[in-house]
Amino acid sequence: DTAVSQTPKYLVTQMGNDKSIKCEQNLGHDTMYWYKQDSKKFLKIMFSYNNKELIINETVPNRFSPKSPDKAHLNLHINSLELGDSAVYFCASSPPSDRGPGELFFGEGSRLTVL
Amino acid sequence: GQNIDQPTEMTATEGAIVQINCTYQTSGFNGLFWYQQHAGEAPTFLSYNVLDGLEEKGRFSSFLSRSKGYSYLLLKELQMKDSASYLCAALDSNYQLIWGAGTKLIIKP
Repeated sequence: DTAVSQTPKYLVTQMGNDKSIKCEQNLGHDTMYWYKQDSKKFLKIMFSYNNKELIINETVPNRFSPKSPDKAHLNLHINSLELGDSAVYFCASSPPSDRGPGELFFGEGSRLTVL
Repeated sequence: GQNIDQPTEMTATEGAIVQINCTYQTSGFNGLFWYQQHAGEAPTFLSYNVLDGLEEKGRFSSFLSRSKGYSYLLLKELQMKDSASYLCAALDSNYQLIWGAGTKLIIKP
């Protein structure tokens, strides 16, 4: 009954490889996000999708690309992985709200380690 | 630039009260959030303030002063399970969340 689920939870890979992280939410929310949390614990937004339309695209390298087949899914593809990409990546969703992002519902996180 | 400041770490005793402060500087302001994050887990929503004053929710309360760019999270009757990081985040004029680095709260018996 997980509200926001992401897979895999752990990913260890070599520099230069391409990898994907999948995210699904069963809350019926219109907006989904990808966040990166580095070793210093800062949460940095990477992408936001609203009804399959990209509405935020922070200055992340174009090696990162979000893919949303439908409003319940937002997958993250990463090409040519670099050491600095090692972090925990959180998927999140939020309902429509006059609070803007409002209350965010996070997935459990995917810990990516690039060797 | 936009900035959120909160202490890196705090220690408190089980059963006591602790106040975690947060100051923010953002381009416009549409509210302030507090999230709790246990080690190795996802952040979970605790509170939202957009008007000045105190919002109470059980053992947790959150306060906001817009004129001072200041908020605090007050935790009462501390329990060991309250050991976690507490993240402050402000919503700017573009409705983007600006996050602090979090305050790691250590509860001792």
